[in-house]
Amino acid sequence: QQPVQSPQAVILREGEDAVINCSSSKALYSVHWYRQKHGEAPVFLMILLKGGEQKGHEKISASFNEKKQQSSLYLTASQLSYSGTYFCGTPPNFGNEKLTFGTGTRLTIIP
Amino acid sequence: DSGVTQTPKHLITATGQRVTLRCSPRSGDLSVYWYQQSLDQGLQFLIQYYNGEERAKGNILERFSAQQFPDLHSELNLSSLELGDSALYFCASSARSIQGGYTFGSGTRLTVV
Repeated sequence: QQPVQSPQAVILREGEDAVINCSSSKALYSVHWYRQKHGEAPVFLMILLKGGEQKGHEKISASFNEKKQQSSLYLTASQLSYSGTYFCGTPPNFGNEKLTFGTGTRLTIIP
Repeated sequence: DSGVTQTPKHLITATGQRVTLRCSPRSGDLSVYWYQQSLDQGLQFLIQYYNGEERAKGNILERFSAQQFPDLHSELNLSSLELGDSALYFCASSARSIQGGYTFGSGTRLTVV
């Protein structure tokens, strides 16, 4: 089953913060985050592994709560370049390479 | 350039026809994945190959088939095309461990008229 992301879409002004959530009805073994700009390929941002790790990538970080079966992506002091659709991706079980991607969150940053 | 090469970039064809999409993975990657993305939709998994062998299958139609060749490039064959098959088709590759994530190609935009 496909992970559910919230919100579906959000519009922010430059400099504002955003949180994107990814929830699964199944156990999560790891969570990938990708960003896709309009008309382009998705680009890998980071992976979260079991253990509640919080990883960072410039001003973009994420957390993973396997008990709640969810992950959250945090974008602080957003920049115009952060605009795009964000997808989480999860494997069906440990060691499986196939990812099921979430429903997506469209983020629009305006000046 | 991500290192994953997909050809062609655009394809326009008529209903009932057959097309072949090609993907060359990033150097050293053994796994290839095919995803379909319809307009404003998410990424739907079609099929995965690992070192020439089929490893996982998603909701891939019987009219669609794929293979991975000894040089690791992969082809996705779509036949008896319907209007609803119009979509972006992405190929991605990964190393043996996916902790480095997938690397996606730029996609093939298929339009069926």
